[in-house]
Parts: sequence; structure tokens; C-alpha cells
Amino acid sequence: DVKVTQSSRYLVKRTGEKVFLECVQDMDHENMFWYRQDPGLGLRLIYFSYDVKMKEKGDIPEGYSVSREKKERFSLILESASTNQTSMYLCASSLKGQYTGNTIYFGEGSWLTVV
Amino acid sequence: SQKIEQNSEALNIQEGKTATLTCNYTNYSPAYLQWYRQDPGRGPVFLLLIRENEKEKRKERLKVTFDTTLKQSLFHITASQPADSATYLCAPSNFGNEKLTFGTGTRLTIIP
Repeated sequence: DVKVTQSSRYLVKRTGEKVFLECVQDMDHENMFWYRQDPGLGLRLIYFSYDVKMKEKGDIPEGYSVSREKKERFSLILESASTNQTSMYLCASSLKGQYTGNTIYFGEGSWLTVV
Repeated sequence: SQKIEQNSEALNIQEGKTATLTCNYTNYSPAYLQWYRQDPGRGPVFLLLIRENEKEKRKERLKVTFDTTLKQSLFHITASQPADSATYLCAPSNFGNEKLTFGTGTRLTIIP
């Protein structure tokens, strides 16, 4: 079974702090994603990475950056946390889906509260 | 711009009945469409993928249809059970497009 592991399940951070959310997948997937999920807004893509050191902005990249130094690990960074970044963050991974359709495997989520 | 709509935010169905959820998309011609299930406080889990030439796909009590003319997918759960209560998300996409965009989901509650 594919396993996507997010390092922290619950975090509370102060406004202005730098926050790291870590994610590891164990299935050698090329693609990795960071989404955030808010009530009424659904899942929104923050950043996407299709290879080591490669990244693409998603729909809401402002205030976030990412790092992918190894294939299995994808980190989301909040450079200066703000209260409007309080949310549930979901990491996911998938194989390249060029011919088969890319089923996405999600982690359990990280609940971030910024106070 | 591409838009994905799921019929209602919440749907209550009596146990044993068939639950039908709708996913409509506009300004888009996806080659396939996926359905996911999400339980409260958990990440979504993949259920089914249907391709544009398949029209219908089944998995146990689940059935998905894909009508490219209507730009709609229907997701059916037959003989529904309280354990089917969850939020269901649809995600249309194209081969070669690695990024998935999801609908906002329908929260299904099966009433005993």
C-alpha cells in the first residue's frame, strides 16, 4: 500500500513564525502535491512538484514555498505564518499519469493553527 | 475558466436506498474523472476512475457514469449503509495533466 506520511498532525504556531510541514512518500512517485482544505472552499492546490528540485505553482502559492531535495520528501514552508493560513494541509503523491490517469494518494493531513 | 460543481453540499439518504451524487464540469473536456471519499479529519481516499469512453464503471456497491455530452458524472451507492457516510469528491482531468482539481464535495449522511 502507498503510504504518504505527514510529520505533524497538529501544530499551533505564532504569527510571523516560519513553519515547516514535512511529507514523505514510500512508493517512488514522481509527483508530489501540497493542498490546503477549508470549509466551503474545498481542496486548493498550493504547489506541485514533478521531480526532484522541480516545482510549479498551484492555485494559491502566495505566502508559501516548497522544497524537494529528495524524490520521497516534499516540504511546505510558510515563510511568515499569518492567521489566514490556519487550515488543514494535505500532502499527496502520484505516479506520472500520462497514459493511465494519475490516482493521487493523500496523507492524513496536518492541522495548522496560527495564533 | 474551468469549473467543477457537485450537486449539493449535503445529502441525507435513508439506509438501504440508493444515494446519487452529481459532478458537473464546465469549460472543460476531461478524458477521465476520479471519485474520492473523505472521512472527517482524514485525507481523501481514491475510489474509482472512469475514462471518457467507458460510460459506466462498477465496484461492489458503487457505480459511476460519465456523460461527456452533458458534462456530468453520476456516482451511485446502492444499498447504502451508515458506514457510507462521508464527503465524496470528484476530480476530472486529462492524461498528461499531472495536477488534479477537485470539486468542493458532497457530504453524504446515511440515516439508519
